[in-house]
Amino acid sequence: GENVEQHPSTLSVQEGDSAVIKCTYSDSASNYFPWYKQELGKRPQLIIDIRSNVGEKKDQRIAVTLNKTAKHFSLHITETQPEDSAVYFCAAKSTNAGKSTFGDGTTLTVKP
Amino acid sequence: IAGITQAPTSQILAAGRRMTLRCTQDMRHNAMYWYRQDLGLGLRLIHYSNTAGTTGKGEVPDGYSVSRANTDDFPLTLASAVPSQTSVYFCASSQGRADTQYFGPGTRLTVL
Repeated sequence: GENVEQHPSTLSVQEGDSAVIKCTYSDSASNYFPWYKQELGKRPQLIIDIRSNVGEKKDQRIAVTLNKTAKHFSLHITETQPEDSAVYFCAAKSTNAGKSTFGDGTTLTVKP
Repeated sequence: IAGITQAPTSQILAAGRRMTLRCTQDMRHNAMYWYRQDLGLGLRLIHYSNTAGTTGKGEVPDGYSVSRANTDDFPLTLASAVPSQTSVYFCASSQGRADTQYFGPGTRLTVL
């Protein structure tokens, strides 16, 4: 089955700096890669996703890059703000599989 | 109902008791999922359903059962609860297999 590894497990940055979180996956059939943000005590919510037919996608301060050859994808947050502090999860899924596989999460802390 | 809901919000349960967690979505999504999230850990898939009438096992199915009699509802049953099942349980749904998952607000379950 699919295996997703996420690094780092914790990340602390100064407000205004950039943050990068990386995930690797094992199943070459995976073709959908979402990123979720989970604030303390809340449910996970999608912030950005990418499909295997594109290499990069951007939405304001958030971007995701995908390297299918190397089987890794990354979340980039620029100009970080204190409200970006949360746990971020990556996931990988294939159209043929009935389930997503999630990474273990990264706790991002943005210090004012 | 708007989106995906779960009930109860929280529950304290004696070991050995039977418990059903309810999940309902009104988005007419085909796929539904149950995850558990333990303190400081990621999301682990318990069971999933790609469409009404079908279910599948996730990473940690033991001690849990599900049914999918219709599109909207996906209840999770603990036949005989044990303390190791203390966790936060999230239900989620998606239109298709490789689409965004929308999470419910979660049920916090404590088994004593």
